[in-house]
Amino acid sequence: QKEVEQDPGPLSVPEGAIVSLNCTYSNSAFQYFMWYRQYSRKGPELLMYTYSSGNKEDGRFTAQVDKSSKYISLFIRDSQPSDSATYLCAMSAAQKVTFGTGTKLQVIP
Amino acid sequence: EPEVTQTPSHQVTQMGQEVILRCVPISNHLYFYWYRQILGQKVEFLVSFYNNEISEKSEIFDDQFSVERPDGSNFTLKIRSTKLEDSAMYFCASSDSFTANYGYTFGSGTRLTVV
Repeated sequence: QKEVEQDPGPLSVPEGAIVSLNCTYSNSAFQYFMWYRQYSRKGPELLMYTYSSGNKEDGRFTAQVDKSSKYISLFIRDSQPSDSATYLCAMSAAQKVTFGTGTKLQVIP
Repeated sequence: EPEVTQTPSHQVTQMGQEVILRCVPISNHLYFYWYRQILGQKVEFLVSFYNNEISEKSEIFDDQFSVERPDGSNFTLKIRSTKLEDSAMYFCASSDSFTANYGYTFGSGTRLTVV
């Protein structure tokens, strides 16, 4: 079983839609849960992080962590064409961060 | 906004040659990392570096690889005797003591092509 599993997509949605991105993981030691955004040929950019279980909201973005189910989600409200990118879930127990494969999102105007 | 700078943006090298990838981390950061991303695959951890020594490395980071902080600003990844399978995007990242567990700032990467 892979440490972090993420549906690679691609996911195509109309502008204004609510987007749901998800990851599952197997390592119970993970404590920090992150979402990164990566544009083509660029480095990952940290969007949000959550420590342990719970929800966190930042503007149009909401991150959820359910440690009991080993499941994390990122919701994007009122999606915009500029949100088109690859979204990487990531998690860590110490300094090393383990990434999912990324979900490619396209928001169609 | 502070950023991590990587050079070159693209490096083409012949198989068997040595390459050095360079990074200038954010000036007040103390933790430095190298990750790589083979085309179409996930971002993979290579090595973390703190206080002038390797703090953690992955199984990918074998004797072919080495890292160095030769001065107060640069952080380098050396790959000896490159192989075709070393072709990938290599990302440098840095973080401060408060965000070392989650808050990396990544550079834009060096695309290494081994021919």
